Amino acid sequence: QKEVEQDPGPLSVPEGAIVSLNCTYSNSAFQYFMWYRQYSRKGPELLMYTYSSGNKEDGRFTAQVDKSSKYISLFIRDSQPSDSATYLCAMSGDYKLSFGAGTTVTVRA
Amino acid sequence: DTGVSQDPRHKITKRGQNVTFRCDPISEHNRLYWYRQTLGQGPEFLTYFQNEAQLEKSRLLSDRFSAERPKGSFSTLEIQRTEQGDSAMYLCASSHTGSLDADTQYFGPGTRLTVL
Repeated sequence: QKEVEQDPGPLSVPEGAIVSLNCTYSNSAFQYFMWYRQYSRKGPELLMYTYSSGNKEDGRFTAQVDKSSKYISLFIRDSQPSDSATYLCAMSGDYKLSFGAGTTVTVRA
Repeated sequence: DTGVSQDPRHKITKRGQNVTFRCDPISEHNRLYWYRQTLGQGPEFLTYFQNEAQLEKSRLLSDRFSAERPKGSFSTLEIQRTEQGDSAMYLCASSHTGSLDADTQYFGPGTRLTVL
């Protein structure tokens, strides 16, 4: 069993819809949680970073962490075609990141 | 503020050849990481440096792989006697300890290696 599980999708939504992504993890030592966006054949780009349970909002993006359930989520409001990408959850307890496999999202115009 | 840069962006080589990749981290970032990503998977940790010291190597990093960061700035990753299974995207990331978001790693564009 992998330390971080993420549904690979693919996920296809119409423009303007809310995109909901999530990951589960098994390592209780994880205390830092991140979401990265990765376009095809590019490096991951940091979207959100949090280290506490609860919600964190940044523009159209909301990250949610529930440490008791070992579950994290990312919500994208008012999705745009430019949001079409692979979204990777990542987490760490010290320095090295453990990633999910990524969810591929397509926002249809 | 320039981001993490990697060179080359693409490398095609024949099995058995040696290859070397370079990573330039964000200026003043003292930690530098190497990850490997294969198609349909998330990046996997290979090794990391704090300044010039290599502090951990994953068991994924076989004896054919070696990484250096001689002056605590740029880093190189060398793969000797490449195998087809080495084909992947090699990603470099950097971070700065002592800041509030010390575990925030910023990634470069990656070097895509194809071994024929």
